[in-house]
Amino acid sequence: GAGVSQSPSNKVTEKGKDVELRCDPISGHTALYWYRQSLGQGLEFLIYFQGNSAPDKSGLPSDRFSAERTGGSVSTLTIQRTQQEDSAVYLCASSLEGQGLGNQPQHFGDGTRLSIL
Amino acid sequence: GQNIDQPTEMTATEGAIVQINCTYQTSGFNGLFWYQQHAGEAPTFLSYNVLDGLEEKGRFSSFLSRSKGYSYLLLKELQMKDSASYLCAHSGYSTLTFGKGTMLLVSP
Repeated sequence: GAGVSQSPSNKVTEKGKDVELRCDPISGHTALYWYRQSLGQGLEFLIYFQGNSAPDKSGLPSDRFSAERTGGSVSTLTIQRTQQEDSAVYLCASSLEGQGLGNQPQHFGDGTRLSIL
Repeated sequence: GQNIDQPTEMTATEGAIVQINCTYQTSGFNGLFWYQQHAGEAPTFLSYNVLDGLEEKGRFSSFLSRSKGYSYLLLKELQMKDSASYLCAHSGYSTLTFGKGTMLLVSP
């Protein structure tokens, strides 16, 4: 597709369950980002992948959160033992290269709205 | 640390001009971005400033003063469809730090 694709668009699950969110970036984009957006809050950086480099995990809020990017393309964000405070919209973005290396804007997917009951 | 401040809400009238301010503090700076986000939708890129001064793009312009840690987004000839949240974000080496956004409501 032409843009960043995320699935599912909505996910409702019970507290304590594991969830997996998927992001398919724009073809050719080497940088991939995950953000979390809670109601009335700004985008909270979670993790960043750039090419084959080790990911920047500095934004992950706890060890229940993990992410991987296979083959430099599709990424999955996994939340284990979900808690109610994990309820948010999880946004994925991709860009041609890391922001610091140029002025390439990030292109966002429509997000996954996660609701923990 | 890294801080970004922008007003929570603003209102304006259709056809008018509005300026949304953003101040930031950061130990490493590599550019200032503005994004637009309509309710329930993904943020979309509006503008990027890395040098001081004004960047104009149609009805939207963005200004940056690095020495003051200050930027603004100027929207001219406001339209109803401009009602959205406007996110200011500064760029470090590899990641963006976003403000909480300014909700702009354009009324007839």
